[in-house]
Order: sequence, then C-alpha cells, then structure tokens
Amino acid sequence: NAGVTQTPKFRVLKTGQSMTLLCAQDMNHEYMYWYRQDPGMGLRLIHYSVGEGTTAKGEVPDGYNVSRLKKQNFLLGLESAAPSQTSVYFCASSYEGTYGYTFGSGTRLTVV
Amino acid sequence: EDQVTQSPEALRLQEGESSSLNCSYTVSGLRGLFWYRQDPGKGPEFLFTLYSAGEEKEKERLKATLTKKESFLHITAPKPEDSATYLCAVQANTDKLIFGTGTRLQVFP
Repeated sequence: NAGVTQTPKFRVLKTGQSMTLLCAQDMNHEYMYWYRQDPGMGLRLIHYSVGEGTTAKGEVPDGYNVSRLKKQNFLLGLESAAPSQTSVYFCASSYEGTYGYTFGSGTRLTVV
Repeated sequence: EDQVTQSPEALRLQEGESSSLNCSYTVSGLRGLFWYRQDPGKGPEFLFTLYSAGEEKEKERLKATLTKKESFLHITAPKPEDSATYLCAVQANTDKLIFGTGTRLQVFP
C-alpha cells in the first residue's frame, strides 16, 4: 500500500523553465491538495480538487496550474519558474474534507 | 480571518520531562482540529482529529484536548524518538485545512 507518491523527489530548475510535479494516490480518495512549505510560513495551500475533473484555488495559486484528469492523479505545473517558487511541495489526499489527510514525502524544488 | 497560532516555536525537553504544546485558533465554525507530526525531510503524519470542545484523544505518550479557543498536545514522559515538529491545523466551513507554523520538539536522553 503506497499511499501518496510524489515524483520527482528533488529538482533544480533555471528561472523561466517549466516543470510538472506528479502526485498519485492509491486509496481511492476524492480530495487531493497541493501545499508548499517554507521556513517560518507553515504549509500553504496552492490548489486543491474535490473530485475527478475539478480544481480550485487555494491561498497561494499564482504561478501554478493543476489538473485532475484521473481520480488517482493530481498534477501541479509551473509554466515559468521563479526563484520565489523555491520550496518544498507536498501533495495530500483525503477520503472527505473533514478526514485526516495523507501526505506524500515531498518534492524539494530549487529555482536558480 | 481564520487563523492558527502555535506555541512555543521550539521546545527542548529532557527524556521523561512531561510538557504541553499549544494551538490557539480563530475560525468561523470549527468543523475539525487536526494534529500532525513531521519528521525532517518527510511529509506530515496524521495523529488526531478533534471535533468538539471537551473532546480528548490519546495515542501512546500523546494526548490531545480541545476547548472552544485552543487545543493542547500533552506529551507524557517523552522519549528521544518523540523529537519532531508537531503541526496543528483547523478546518472551518470549507474543504481546506489551515495550518499553524508548528512546534519543533527536541527530547534529549
């Protein structure tokens, strides 16, 4: 039982490059979330999805796009990376909004 | 505005020295309060959910309590393996959790 799997685990990008972070869950959860974690800022919600084909903006959505074409996958895209997007990105899923989230192990992204 | 504040930011304990971590919150209609543990380089791990004032939950050396304004995570006779960052999060009338910035706990032998 893998839970929530994030790929890649580490990535270094140059300013202006694009990339996609992949999140996959095998628990048949409806809800999926993308967070970023920065020192002193805590976890901040970027985008989330309450079911296949749906997406919604969180607290810090600018510069990111998401897609949920399949229930088990939630993709986070950076179209033109900026140094301010250097962070650790976590994906999470839950059966329903009031249940505890299951988090992935994170992607450490550095934009130079 | 919904807000979560955790204190202290950091806590150093001797093995066996019990203490408490605080999570104070202001939300419009609390649906749930969550506690997570996060080890360095890893994602947060779910510990507890509390839904109403007066509720308590326990797991090994950890006990979480909830009032109308705050939650406490009590650690009884901690061991070095309890060292981690403990995160508190609240859910108001939305599908989203709002996280505090965490308390970094270090337990020394």
